[in-house]
Amino acid sequence: QSALTQPASVSGSPGQSITISCTGTSSDVGGYNYVSWYQQYPGKAPKLMIYDVSNRPSGVSNRFSGSKSGNTASLTISGLQAEDEADYYCSSYTSSSTRIFGGGTKLTVL
Amino acid sequence: EVQLVESGGGLVQPGGSLRLSCAASGFTFSSYSMNWVRQAPGKGLEWVSYISSSGRTIYYADSVKGRFTISRDSAKNSLYLQMNSLRAEDTAVYYCARDGLGGWYIDYWGQGTLVTVSS
Repeated sequence: QSALTQPASVSGSPGQSITISCTGTSSDVGGYNYVSWYQQYPGKAPKLMIYDVSNRPSGVSNRFSGSKSGNTASLTISGLQAEDEADYYCSSYTSSSTRIFGGGTKLTVL
Repeated sequence: EVQLVESGGGLVQPGGSLRLSCAASGFTFSSYSMNWVRQAPGKGLEWVSYISSSGRTIYYADSVKGRFTISRDSAKNSLYLQMNSLRAEDTAVYYCARDGLGGWYIDYWGQGTLVTVSS
């Protein structure tokens, strides 16, 4: 199964908002409300930012939000800060009871 | 504090075997399903395998099916990944990862252990 489709890179200036898309199929993203998002700094383990499409774990800034429409999920970061510069990955549960990740998006804060 | 500590990585020749371990602490290990996720150097995340809290339900990515075996020992609070018939493309950092309680998302990750398959 191919990875979910994410843009390779996005960028924004401090204070702006950016959105990262994650496109799958009706067998994964579109079929279940089990999309999650992870933030990863170089050389570090990923960190959960959003689960079940739009839920934020305790301790994650409310500047991070998630949504889904059809086969595409989105992560929006508002009030961009320098510390948000990292790689972001989406993931989804699939109809085969497996998981699938997106290819990752490198966020650059200009 | 939830802690997941992987061990067992290293250099292995193509066709060889390796067993990864993950020591869990800070939570009731027997209540949570667990996963292995890997990341090849400079590449993205790839889900490898899942095991339910009871150990009775197991899933694998197609890329490792028939070669890798996931298992757990709740008495030892440990997760394992037996890797056989290793290939160069299995070279990656392997992360032990806990699922959210009752959910289909990973809420905690270990720091990872590097597996290098090379002659």
